[in-house]
Amino acid sequence: QVHLVQSGAEVKKPGASVKVSCRTSGYPFTDYPIYWLRQAPGQRLECMGWVNTVNGKVEISQKFQGRLTMTRDTSTNTAYMVLTSLTSADTALYFCARYYLGVVRGKGTANWFDSWGQGTHVVVSS
Amino acid sequence: DIQMTQSPSSLSASVGDRVTITCRASHRINSYLNWYQQKPGKAPTLLIYGASSLQSGVPSRFSGSGSGTDFTLTISSLQPEDFATYYCQQSSSTLITFGQGTRVDIK
Repeated sequence: QVHLVQSGAEVKKPGASVKVSCRTSGYPFTDYPIYWLRQAPGQRLECMGWVNTVNGKVEISQKFQGRLTMTRDTSTNTAYMVLTSLTSADTALYFCARYYLGVVRGKGTANWFDSWGQGTHVVVSS
Repeated sequence: DIQMTQSPSSLSASVGDRVTITCRASHRINSYLNWYQQKPGKAPTLLIYGASSLQSGVPSRFSGSGSGTDFTLTISSLQPEDFATYYCQQSSSTLITFGQGTRVDIK
């Protein structure tokens, strides 16, 4: 059974950095990319970026360019996200998710998020 | 970025009602559209992928349709456990985007 387990809640001061981990199990880690998403209170889900679990290459949403680092460790099947220069606007629930590639009957292949971490609350407050 | 716009933003309905939620993409995305259900403080769960394919284990009262820029999620007979927020998500580009969500609550 596929599991994604994230690290625990964090409280940070403005200007600090936060590191969130996402430990996976139940499937070959390098078969699918891992995305990082977040959801501020009452807001929509927002894509921060994703990491290619095979080669470690990343794509980062423009909003987070210069502040976000994503890595992966294939020896422990774990993905990591570091967000720097935190402000109160970064207070949110952060998720990792497996981006599954599957067959859509009659339409070829497509991707969707089929497994998620439980979420990590990050609070930024002075 | 591909912008996703859902309507309505919220609705009130009763158990047994038929509920329809729409999602519009700012660019054509073929059938690269997924639907999720989310309850407060929890991760979303997949309902529909590829615009119209029902995820395994999801009740058949959920259905999806559409292609190109306009999509629909329908709940044929609303059940108590369906009161939640629903999101569409495009997978046409690697930097995926979600709609703003539709909250379904009890009338």
